[in-house]
Amino acid sequence: GAVVSQHPSRVICKSGTSVKIECRSLDFQATTMFWYRQFPKQSLMLMATSNEGSKATYEQGVEKDKFLINHASLTLSTLTVTSAHPEDSSFYICSSVGGSGGDTDTQYFGPGTRLTVL
Amino acid sequence: GEDVEQSLFLSVREGDSSVINCTYTDSSSTYLYWYKQEPGAGLQLLTYIFSNMDMKQDQRLTVLLNKKDKHLSLRIADTQTGDSAIYFCAESKGKGYSTLTFGKGTMLLVSP
Repeated sequence: GAVVSQHPSRVICKSGTSVKIECRSLDFQATTMFWYRQFPKQSLMLMATSNEGSKATYEQGVEKDKFLINHASLTLSTLTVTSAHPEDSSFYICSSVGGSGGDTDTQYFGPGTRLTVL
Repeated sequence: GEDVEQSLFLSVREGDSSVINCTYTDSSSTYLYWYKQEPGAGLQLLTYIFSNMDMKQDQRLTVLLNKKDKHLSLRIADTQTGDSAIYFCAESKGKGYSTLTFGKGTMLLVSP
């Protein structure tokens, strides 16, 4: 199946700093990537949809100036949490949909990034 | 609005069959998915079914869909301790590019 990686897997930062999370599709080109947030013992909440070469589409209630998304290539999307605060602590998961060489019937998920803001 | 409901917890003994149930409200759902999440990890796609199908079997996994009742189930045969995880049901109205709506997840605990 399609492989999606995320980096870093875990990050701890001080309040007020910015953190960048990378999402890569390793064996296929992903025209669309999604970013989710998951709180403990909760389901996934879609934050934004990222299309290669265009601006991300954010879900209602998600601040686009706080969660900057860049999808500069068909294999890489980044999520930057700007001026992070403790309430931003969460598990962030990306997913990719295969374009060339990939399965377009479903989303393939990365392993997630645990962000802790002190 | 769209809603996907799952029971929160299921406990079985190793070797038994597990059945995880899911209901959804949106009749225009086209694709229905089952994902598995182990502690601290991302989601692993187990299987999916199109809404025009009643059943799909893949090795130990059997998915049943009752479109009239908007009920989806995942049966795991010969459940193993390695199957212990959280299982998410999700629906979408189109292919992978479409938004997924997830249930809250069912925690499956398999005891030896």
